[in-house]
Amino acid sequence: KAGVTQTPRYLIKTRGQQVTLSCSPISGHRSVSWYQQTPGQGLQFLFEYFSETQRNKGNFPGRFSGRQFSNSRSEMNVSTLELGDSALYLCASSLGNRGGDEQYFGPGTRLTVT
Amino acid sequence: QKEVEQDPGPLSVPEGAIVSLNCTYSNSAFQYFMWYRQYSRKGPELLMYTYSSGNKEDGRFTAQVDKSSKYISLFIRDSQPSDSATYLCAMSVGGSEKLVFGKGMKLTVNP
Repeated sequence: KAGVTQTPRYLIKTRGQQVTLSCSPISGHRSVSWYQQTPGQGLQFLFEYFSETQRNKGNFPGRFSGRQFSNSRSEMNVSTLELGDSALYLCASSLGNRGGDEQYFGPGTRLTVT
Repeated sequence: QKEVEQDPGPLSVPEGAIVSLNCTYSNSAFQYFMWYRQYSRKGPELLMYTYSSGNKEDGRFTAQVDKSSKYISLFIRDSQPSDSATYLCAMSVGGSEKLVFGKGMKLTVNP
């Protein structure tokens, strides 16, 4: 079974630009969660999508948004990029039927904002 | 007080040592407990998943959960240089996929 895939793996953007990251979950998984990982803050939850609906949201500004498609693939968008948005962005997938399921992470997209 | 506390280390041990990694938490609503291993510049890899107090063993790894003390542990027996990585504890409340992570402990196993 293929794992979670994320594209692109690396991105360099300039302040003020916007960026879209993509995540394809494990086949059969309907929940996709997004996390930001930085050396200072560690792994922080951004949001979770299940059956095309945002089911949970972390404490990030509205510049961070996401969506999920009918095939469970998900995208997250960051608008008006700031230097502090430089981070590893990880997505995780799970069955999502009951909450607290085992979550499997992708390799991440490393975003650098200059 | 952070919801999940984990000593960030780093921890350096000789090959063959028994390693003990720990996390404490403050939210008594946490029901599901996980340990992830993350190699440099890679995504976290799920090592252990538990949802009740007690021990769970998988090969050289044992996960322990003590809900009364709000304390979880991961033991690695006969540690190998390939175990050198950052270990993250994570937990979630019932009905939610949101994981709350510890800061991670960097482990180095020296040959």
